[in-house]
Amino acid sequence: SQKIEQNSEALNIQEGKTATLTCNYTNYSPAYLQWYRQDPGRGPVFLLLIRENEKEKRKERLKVTFDTTLKQSLFHITASQPADSATYLCALDRGSARQLTFGSGTQLTVLP
Amino acid sequence: EAQVTQNPRYLITVTGKKLTVTCSQNMNHEYMSWYRQDPGLGLRQIYYSMNVEVTDKGDVPEGYKVSRKEKRNFPLILESPSPNQTSLYFCASSPMQGDQPQHFGDGTRLSIL
Repeated sequence: SQKIEQNSEALNIQEGKTATLTCNYTNYSPAYLQWYRQDPGRGPVFLLLIRENEKEKRKERLKVTFDTTLKQSLFHITASQPADSATYLCALDRGSARQLTFGSGTQLTVLP
Repeated sequence: EAQVTQNPRYLITVTGKKLTVTCSQNMNHEYMSWYRQDPGLGLRQIYYSMNVEVTDKGDVPEGYKVSRKEKRNFPLILESPSPNQTSLYFCASSPMQGDQPQHFGDGTRLSIL
């Protein structure tokens, strides 16, 4: 069956370091993958999208990679700040009817 | 301001008492969807709609109904709520074209006693 795993439920890092979050999937062949940020009491907010034919995408301090051979996406936040503390969700396209399958998220805490 | 609005934000009710959670978007999006979010399980899709009068089941549709009579509105109906439907619910919308991201409401926390 199709499965998505995000590396760990919680990740703590020191301010200024690079945070790296992992999204692994099995039994999928997604055309694209999206990353969202979710703050407590709020809905997810879209951050970045990467397509299957793209290796890397950047937006300001954010970088996403997509390795369809390893079936893995890495999400990096460089020069992390306490304001980056949130839960980050990856979501994979299921190829029909615009449906997405979401991972359960990684809660990132950036310590000052 | 472009947004997805859900109401109510919080609701505590009892088993068997019908309830409706409303969802409205002001972005003229064709696609709308309902998810529930439970600890450790992530967001799971309940129902989705690709346009007016077109709805379809997601991954966990049992116990829920939806309707799409107008493009902007997509209410979620629990005809006979049960405690296992206690959850955090999100409505989302997006354009139908390509790989556009989904815009989410701020959620409705339902507690069924």
